[in-house]
Amino acid sequence: KAGVTQTPRYLIKTRGQQVTLSCSPISGHRSVSWYQQTPGQGLQFLFEYFSETQRNKGNFPGRFSGRQFSNSRSEMNVSTLELGDSALYLCASSLRGGGSYNEQFFGPGTRLTVL
Amino acid sequence: ILNVEQSPQSLHVQEGDSTNFTCSFPSSNFYALHWYRWETAKSPEALFVMTLNGDEKKKGRISATLNTKEGYSYLYIKGSQPEDSATYLCASAPPGNNRKLIWGLGTSLAVNP
Repeated sequence: KAGVTQTPRYLIKTRGQQVTLSCSPISGHRSVSWYQQTPGQGLQFLFEYFSETQRNKGNFPGRFSGRQFSNSRSEMNVSTLELGDSALYLCASSLRGGGSYNEQFFGPGTRLTVL
Repeated sequence: ILNVEQSPQSLHVQEGDSTNFTCSFPSSNFYALHWYRWETAKSPEALFVMTLNGDEKKKGRISATLNTKEGYSYLYIKGSQPEDSATYLCASAPPGNNRKLIWGLGTSLAVNP
């Protein structure tokens, strides 16, 4: 079974620009969760999509948005980038959802640098 | 406890030492507890998911226990090896629909050869 894939792996943007990150879950998984990880911080939950619907949302500004397609692939968009958005963005897929008894499978992450 | 707390924050042990760390979570608002291992330059990888009080799980030299009444879980590593060096994360899920995982900050383990 192919694992979770994320594209691109690395990205450099400048302040004010926008960015779209992509995540393809494991086949058959309907839940995709997005996380931000910065040095000194744990995994900060952004949002979770399940069957094309946003099921949970973390405490991030509206500049962070996402969506999920019918094939369960998910995209995350950050508009008007700020320096503080520089981080590793991870997505994770699971069968029934991040908060269930099903484990999450993480992708390799996208390293975003905002200059 | 409202959040998930992990202790210690970091740990340095010698190869062959056994070690353990703690994850504390809200006992009054619990459905499942997840443990993940995150090695440098890799993705977090699931170790265990536990739901029942008294649950004990084992994978090789690593084991975990769960006490839902008092709100803690222990992760044990027997005979630590350098390849065990990683950050160990736990996350708790509350009951109800649309649960979301609440993550701890992790315990960073370094095993010296």
